[in-house]
Amino acid sequence: AQKITQTQPGMFVQEKEAVTLDCTYDTSDQSYGLFWYKQPSSGEMIFLIYQGSYDEQNATEGRYSLNFQKARKSANLVISASQLGDSAMYFCAMRDHNQGGKLIFGQGTELSVKP
Amino acid sequence: EAQVTQNPRYLITVTGKKLTVTCSQNMNHEYMSWYRQDPGLGLRQIYYSMNVEVTDKGDVPEGYKVSRKEKRNFPLILESPSPNQTSLYFCASSLQIRHPLLNEQFFGPGTRLTVL
Repeated sequence: AQKITQTQPGMFVQEKEAVTLDCTYDTSDQSYGLFWYKQPSSGEMIFLIYQGSYDEQNATEGRYSLNFQKARKSANLVISASQLGDSAMYFCAMRDHNQGGKLIFGQGTELSVKP
Repeated sequence: EAQVTQNPRYLITVTGKKLTVTCSQNMNHEYMSWYRQDPGLGLRQIYYSMNVEVTDKGDVPEGYKVSRKEKRNFPLILESPSPNQTSLYFCASSLQIRHPLLNEQFFGPGTRLTVL
């Protein structure tokens, strides 16, 4: 079964600096996707970025990029030039074979951006 | 704008009073799903639907019903709500045209339900 592990319950970063949020995963599949979601204090679950297992290049989306190391089974999210609005919970996720492909989430990392 | 909408966003109700949380997506997605998020338990899938008229149970289906009569809508029904159904509920949708594990799910804004 798929499993996602996020080992940083909370992190602080200074505004305008870059920050890396860690994510490791476990799967026996050859084809899979890794997803990152942001959940601000208002509660929405916002899709940020996606990395496919066969993608040769690391995914990028604006200030978000994914440091994908397939052999290490890690998919770390890098946020460049942090902004106060980046303060939120961040979840790494992948889809399971079961139940139509339900999302399996990590425990989440709470990011706080300091002014 | 491509989106998943849910209504209501906030609801306080009493035990036993039937309620429906609506979910609608305008992206022509085949797959739709309901999750609930609780502190310490993370997100758990309640029900999902692979397409119109095709629904199935997730991890925590007890006390909930769903229907998928149209592709865009996937309402969640609580026939007789109880306090243990107090939670943050999310509807999500995705395409299924590629390998199903590769498709991102898009979430609605969430519904905060309190059952007294």
